[in-house]
Amino acid sequence: DGGITQSPKYLFRKEGQNVTLSCEQNLNHDAMYWYRQDPGQGLRLIYYSQIVNDFQKGDIAEGYSVSREKKESFPLTVTSAQKNPTAFYLCASSIRVRQYNEQFFGPGTRLTVL
Amino acid sequence: RKEVEQDPGPFNVPEGATVAFNCTYSNSASQSFFWYRQDCRKEPKLLMSVYSSGNEDGRFTAQLNRASQYISLLIRDSKLSDSATYLCVVSGTGGFKTIFGAGTRLFVKA
Repeated sequence: DGGITQSPKYLFRKEGQNVTLSCEQNLNHDAMYWYRQDPGQGLRLIYYSQIVNDFQKGDIAEGYSVSREKKESFPLTVTSAQKNPTAFYLCASSIRVRQYNEQFFGPGTRLTVL
Repeated sequence: RKEVEQDPGPFNVPEGATVAFNCTYSNSASQSFFWYRQDCRKEPKLLMSVYSSGNEDGRFTAQLNRASQYISLLIRDSKLSDSATYLCVVSGTGGFKTIFGAGTRLFVKA
């Protein structure tokens, strides 16, 4: 089955730790995205990538880092510099970054800082 | 003004009711419009794209009014399973910038 997978589903982090969230897609999509969702709020873009080995900051990139070494994979690292990391993290992909591009989402990772 | 604004919720309706959601956007150069559905603690899923001519998919009808910069979603004959949050999504020029509205929560009651 084609789709987007994220792991883990739940993640607990101690303050001061870096953690990495996994995102994999087998849809052969060029573009991948990371969003953060807080309760009662819309999705906010953290980073996006249009092609392998290239990525761009979104609206709230501070405290996060990404890599895009393979087309299928776009991991997100939440660093200790992110002051309020507890949130629902969603990875998405689209065929390419262009007009009329629908984005398809993975099931998300719920991160809690203890 | 927010780039994408949706009706504040929640909407509480009985089964069988017709419910309409509205969404306004601020960037007149926006090119692509979508409605997504998000169930509690789940990922958003594409419900339908919105075209200038309007489009219908079963009980769901989406309309776009470019002059007034708003998008609507009409759900007819509401089902209990329609209970969810509905997100309005707008893509801007350049093919990339996508803005998600905060969503409108719908509760359909028996």
